[in-house]
Amino acid sequence: DAMVIQNPRYQVTQFGKPVTLSCSQTLNHNVMYWYQQKSSQAPKLLFHYYDKDFNNEADTPDNFQSRRPNTSFCFLDIRSPGLGDAAMYLCATSLPFGHLNTEAFFGQGTRLTVV
Amino acid sequence: KNEVEQSPQNLTAQEGEFITINCSYSVGISALHWLQQHPGGGIVSLFMLSSGKKKHGRLIATINIQEKHSSLHITASHPRDSAVYICAVRSNTGNQFYFGTGTSLTVIP
Repeated sequence: DAMVIQNPRYQVTQFGKPVTLSCSQTLNHNVMYWYQQKSSQAPKLLFHYYDKDFNNEADTPDNFQSRRPNTSFCFLDIRSPGLGDAAMYLCATSLPFGHLNTEAFFGQGTRLTVV
Repeated sequence: KNEVEQSPQNLTAQEGEFITINCSYSVGISALHWLQQHPGGGIVSLFMLSSGKKKHGRLIATINIQEKHSSLHITASHPRDSAVYICAVRSNTGNQFYFGTGTSLTVIP
């Protein structure tokens, strides 16, 4: 059974129209990550949560926001999507740094198309 | 410079061939993942390694911590193995993962 679930798998949005991507986990992991992956590139970390503590990467555009209302769910909000935001968005979870179990679990990803 | 480098970037093999994909990293790590990503698909974790060697069916992964190098081997390759294989490492200083750009594997029948 999938332990990290992303919805939807495919999302088409209009240029400038706000869009929300969802990630849920059944692992009770403290840390949840959002990555952006463009074609033929490595996934790029946008931000991560350690419990409710939000950690933004320095080069993540302000257009990208995130919410984590509880341990299980984390949302990625793109306030005004541009054509350059079309990508695969990956959610991952893990236990925190220092824990003996260092394994990460990945969702299936959401492929975002901006038209 | 990327913290994780993979080679080759692209690989085409005949069905049945033995395949090796290499990963070198420059940061201190607590674990290394080998991941598989099919076109348009999400990521599946194949292995997590912190030392030595692991084997799952036709897949073998090794890591040399001193040399900061890992290899993924596929024995008796099959067209369904065609995918992008990504090496990712977990930093030993915080909640950070670093990803390689992936190796695109095509296995021809």
